[in-house]
Amino acid sequence: GENVEQHPSTLSVQEGDSAVIKCTYSDSASNYFPWYKQELGKRPQLIIDIRSNVGEKKDQRIAVTLNKTAKHFSLHITETQPEDSAVYFCAADYTGGGNKLTFGTGTQLKVEL
Amino acid sequence: DVKVTQSSRYLVKRTGEKVFLECVQDMDHENMFWYRQDPGLGLRLIYFSYDVKMKEKGDIPEGYSVSREKKERFSLILESASTNQTSMYLCASSLDRGRNDEQYFGPGTRLTVT
Repeated sequence: GENVEQHPSTLSVQEGDSAVIKCTYSDSASNYFPWYKQELGKRPQLIIDIRSNVGEKKDQRIAVTLNKTAKHFSLHITETQPEDSAVYFCAADYTGGGNKLTFGTGTQLKVEL
Repeated sequence: DVKVTQSSRYLVKRTGEKVFLECVQDMDHENMFWYRQDPGLGLRLIYFSYDVKMKEKGDIPEGYSVSREKKERFSLILESASTNQTSMYLCASSLDRGRNDEQYFGPGTRLTVT
């Protein structure tokens, strides 16, 4: 099966700074990499995803990069705001469309004023 | 707007009890999933289903079973609850087995087994 490692487990940044969260995966067959955000007491929600035929994807202040050779992908948040404070989970799907996700262990991001 | 609901937000059960957690989605999604979420361990897949009466084991199926008698409903069953099954349980659904889609999560059930 797939194994996904996520770092760091906690990240504290000043408002306006950038934040980067990194994940590595083990199965070279993985082809879909979503990122979920979970605010305190809320359900996880998809914020961005990338497929293996793309190296980078952006959506306003959020971007994800994928390096298939090294088997790692990263979430980049620019101009962080207090509402970005949450737990972020990366995930990988190696089932070729089966939508069976293996999640990382999560990163607690705290944006300080 | 996709809506995934779970039968209880909080549940307290005794060791050895049979426990049923219910999940309902209202968007005609084919795929449904059950995860447990524990601090430091992320979300771990227990069971999933691509169709009615169909189920497949996830990464940690031991001690659990599932039932999907109707497309919109997916039940997680703890046959004999144990204290190590104290956790947050999240249900999710997604549109189509043939492609990777956003998974929509329910609000979660925090289960405590004493």
